[in-house]
Amino acid sequence: DGGITQSPKYLFRKEGQNVTLSCEQNLNHDAMYWYRQDPGQGLRLIYYSQIVNDFQKGDIAEGYSVSREKKESFPLTVTSAQKNPTAFYLCASSFGTSGGYTFGSGTRLTVV
Amino acid sequence: GEDVEQSLFLSVREGDSSVINCTYTDSSSTYLYWYKQEPGAGLQLLTYIFSNMDMKQDQRLTVLLNKKDKHLSLRIADTQTGDSAIYFCAERSNTGKLIFGQGTTLQVKP
Repeated sequence: DGGITQSPKYLFRKEGQNVTLSCEQNLNHDAMYWYRQDPGQGLRLIYYSQIVNDFQKGDIAEGYSVSREKKESFPLTVTSAQKNPTAFYLCASSFGTSGGYTFGSGTRLTVV
Repeated sequence: GEDVEQSLFLSVREGDSSVINCTYTDSSSTYLYWYKQEPGAGLQLLTYIFSNMDMKQDQRLTVLLNKKDKHLSLRIADTQTGDSAIYFCAERSNTGKLIFGQGTTLQVKP
């Protein structure tokens, strides 16, 4: 079945460490997105990529980095520069700039 | 700038109808969407409406679009406890990205 997979579902990080969240899709979608969701809040866009080897900053890119070396994959690295990384992270994909988004099931990151 | 607003909370009794409202600012939006998020899960596309439509019905879901007032609503008929979730309204911006509202938490009481 086609879909978008995020892993791991739960992730714990010590302060000062970088951590990478995985996002893989087999929908042949061109565009991929990373969102952050805090309790009781909506979605905030971190980074997005509309084509391989290209990506743009979203509204809250500071402290995060991404790569898009393959169409299927869009990993997100939460760096030690991100001051408040504990949140629920959602990855999504779409056919270019048309159509709705398909979302992964999310990764909950906790800093301990 | 582009903005989507929703009320944050709605509580209904099981069997009643629920109406979740949304306002948006981008008059050039071509598609508007409703997503559902259950606890600890990702967002699931419920339905969408093209901007040249006034209404779309899909089983228990009815979407109404008032383009003049930039107002979108989602009506859920015969609301069930399984409908308890957060509902997000989204518009497609002229850059192609979706702009999401803050989400409306729907609580269904038995």
